[in-house]
Amino acid sequence: QSVLTQPPSASGTPGQRVTISCSGSTSNIGSNSVNWYQQLPGTAPKLLIYTFNQRPSGVPDRFSGSTSGTSASLAIDGLQSDDEADYYCATWDDSLNGYVFGTGTKVTVL
Amino acid sequence: EVQLVESGGGLVQPGGSLRLSCAASGFTFSSYSMNWVRQAPGKGLEWLSYISSSSKTLYYADSVKGRFTISRDNAKNSLYLQMTSLRAEDTAVYYCARDLGGVVTNWFDPWGQGTLVTVSS
Repeated sequence: QSVLTQPPSASGTPGQRVTISCSGSTSNIGSNSVNWYQQLPGTAPKLLIYTFNQRPSGVPDRFSGSTSGTSASLAIDGLQSDDEADYYCATWDDSLNGYVFGTGTKVTVL
Repeated sequence: EVQLVESGGGLVQPGGSLRLSCAASGFTFSSYSMNWVRQAPGKGLEWLSYISSSSKTLYYADSVKGRFTISRDNAKNSLYLQMTSLRAEDTAVYYCARDLGGVVTNWFDPWGQGTLVTVSS
């Protein structure tokens, strides 16, 4: 059972903005930087956002991250069909002394 | 090109053992910490273990502590996960991933393609 909670699903039409929430606690999101991973169907996860709102080379600026207190959010602007994937938040947890992933959110483009 | 390739997965009986390997290329393996992450069929991601570049620092998830052992051979550019006392709930795709950033500000990039471990009689 993950300590980071995400909604199981989110959806939008092409061009819309979709936001995914990630709820944690003071020992994880409240203390450490949050990262986001994208997992396209049948593939390995890929780093999407790191250290709150940094994007690796090649990740479009349609993806952005933010954090407030013990919660984090991933926003996808200008939703595209290629964005259909599972998205996971993640961070270090000081109490567990380990890395923790969110429960995951499946994004569907309608 | 930075690349990680896992191997060693397969079918194993409950209570059995298996050793996974992760071959790294395209970067100075000895300079980076590494991690193992798994994903049960149809489920989310679960972090399992971390090893520092020198192997001095190790971390494990409670779910595998005492049963799994992470190790590395920097001369062979390889990461390992020795799994013992395997249970049906250990059935998953196992990924290795390079660790970037610091210990509590870390992120994983890249990931390998994964290797499937099935624990069943």
